[in-house]
Amino acid sequence: DAGVIQSPRHEVTEMGQEVTLRCKPISGHNSLFWYRQTMMRGLELLIYFNNNVPIDDSGMPEDRFSAKMPNASFSTLKIQPSEPRDSAVYFCASTLKGPRDGYTFGSGTRLTVV
Amino acid sequence: GENVEQHPSTLSVQEGDSAVIKCTYSDSASNYFPWYKQELGKRPQLIIDIRSNVGEKKDQRIAVTLNKTAKHFSLHITETQPEDSAVYFCAPRGGSNYKLTFGKGTLLTVNP
Repeated sequence: DAGVIQSPRHEVTEMGQEVTLRCKPISGHNSLFWYRQTMMRGLELLIYFNNNVPIDDSGMPEDRFSAKMPNASFSTLKIQPSEPRDSAVYFCASTLKGPRDGYTFGSGTRLTVV
Repeated sequence: GENVEQHPSTLSVQEGDSAVIKCTYSDSASNYFPWYKQELGKRPQLIIDIRSNVGEKKDQRIAVTLNKTAKHFSLHITETQPEDSAVYFCAPRGGSNYKLTFGKGTLLTVNP
């Protein structure tokens, strides 16, 4: 099992550019979560999907952020246009509803907007 | 939504001592109580979890205790080692969904 796979690992972009983060959940997991981690705000849930359907996007900061899950094995988080305050580590996590409900996190994408 | 508080925010112990981190939550319907460990520059990893029908669970040097009446659960680490140094997060799950709400974290430092 390769675990949750995120790409890229690091992204440096200029303010105003579009940024796309990618995630492949563990095969068979039916829930996927996007988190953002900063020193000031900790781990914040941005959005989560269940069976590819967005269930709760109340954590998405603003309209500049969007997320999709076109199929069970792929999700994207897009920021357009990016701003310096978007700089953070973005984690994707997946889980399978069942006796053991812990999340498995990906390695994260460290985003720097200059 | 769920309000989660962790205490202390930082904890420094000598190698071999015990460490206890407490997490309080607000949603009385919460039914799943995990603890995550995050080493510097790494991803959060699940280290132990407990369900609402159990009061205590132990796995070698770590244990979790749950007090549902008081709405808090605690992480206990015995015989601490330098490799236990990390940030620890509690993340209770509310009763109506799969969302985990993470606490702000506790930085544990184990001094050799």
